[in-house]
Amino acid sequence: DVKVTQSSRYLVKRTGEKVFLECVQDMDHENMFWYRQDPGLGLRLIYFSYDVKMKEKGDIPEGYSVSREKKERFSLILESASTNQTSMYLCASIGRSSYNSPLHFGNGTRLTVT
Amino acid sequence: ELKVEQNPLFLSMQEGKNYTIYCNYSTTSDRLYWYRQDPGKSLESLFVLLSNGAVKQEGRLMASLDTKARLSTLHITAAVHDLSATYFCAVDSHRGTYKYIFGTGTRLKVLA
Repeated sequence: DVKVTQSSRYLVKRTGEKVFLECVQDMDHENMFWYRQDPGLGLRLIYFSYDVKMKEKGDIPEGYSVSREKKERFSLILESASTNQTSMYLCASIGRSSYNSPLHFGNGTRLTVT
Repeated sequence: ELKVEQNPLFLSMQEGKNYTIYCNYSTTSDRLYWYRQDPGKSLESLFVLLSNGAVKQEGRLMASLDTKARLSTLHITAAVHDLSATYFCAVDSHRGTYKYIFGTGTRLKVLA
């Protein structure tokens, strides 16, 4: 079974702090994703990565960056956290040429910025 | 720009009743996914629909896809309390990119 692990379930950070959200998958998947989930807005794609050191912007990349130094790990970075980044963050992964398969999601990190 | 709309956004129904959740999308796609999310939990895959006319069933849930109408439905038969959750549909916006666009979700509450 695919396992996608997000390092923190809950985080509370202060405005202006640099925040790192970590995601690790154990199935050698090439593709990894970061979404944020807000009530009434569904899931919105922040960034995704097709392979190590590769990244592409999603629909709402402003205020975020990412790092993919190893295949199994995809990090989301909030350079200077703001209150409007309070949200649930979900990491997902899928293998290459897996068009008939769904995304595999982690359990989520609920981030509160005060 | 691909848009994915679900309705209703909220659904409260009695146990034993039937209902349908609708997922409309705005551009061509031949792949659609349904997920379930329990409160405080992550998303769990329910169905993967890969072609026009595809129909899949699991227990009291049945999903279908009409790519010409750009519409998918998730039908609930004889609802039970355990089906209470939020249901999302998602569409692959650019074939081969895995850049999925999610609907806003339908929050279902089944009353005993």
